[in-house]
Amino acid sequence: DQQVKQNSPSLSVQEGRISILNCDYTNSMFDYFLWYKKYPAEGPTFLISISSIKDKNEDGRFTVFLNKSAKHLSLHIVPSQPGDSAVYFCAARTNTGNQFYFGTGTSLTVIP
Amino acid sequence: DAGITQSPRHKVTETGTPVTLRCHQTENHRYMYWYRQDPGHGLRLIHYSYGVKDTDKGEVSDGYSVSRSKTEDFLLTLESATSSQTSVYFCAISATNSNQPQHFGDGTRLSIL
Repeated sequence: DQQVKQNSPSLSVQEGRISILNCDYTNSMFDYFLWYKKYPAEGPTFLISISSIKDKNEDGRFTVFLNKSAKHLSLHIVPSQPGDSAVYFCAARTNTGNQFYFGTGTSLTVIP
Repeated sequence: DAGITQSPRHKVTETGTPVTLRCHQTENHRYMYWYRQDPGHGLRLIHYSYGVKDTDKGEVSDGYSVSRSKTEDFLLTLESATSSQTSVYFCAISATNSNQPQHFGDGTRLSIL
């Protein structure tokens, strides 16, 4: 059973606009959340993370929001650039486990 | 980039043959992981290691075994490959199991005919 879900397989956004990628989770014991970016034929690259004690974390153009009551995570990219075109995975982990659970990914296309 | 090397990068083999994939790290990280990536499933953990000779199963461990005899090397073995094990395999490492991200290798594309 998928504990981390990304319900949008793909997203297209115009260059310069905001990209919003969403992620839902079911396990209330998750306390650390991450976003990874993946280009074809490469491994996932860590992008940004957030712990459950926060509701927002920002790093340059990337901001992650956490809504614990809704069990919802989102990644905002502003402004979007063509180089941001990739597959984005969200992941989560409990504070007692070594295992990270990944979503199925969202393919973002930024149109010049 | 984290020093993670996966070998081979591509392999084609036949059903029933044994296959070993290697992950080598130069970061001296304690934790190492093997994942598989399949369409519609994202990344799923096969096995992980929390130290030399210390390993544990992930969510899709059936048909796979692992070994870690040195800090830098983590081997994934398919004792008798099946077509359902055709996938892209990723190795990942992390220094601790607290709030630290994993860093991934570039993957091994395995095709079992």
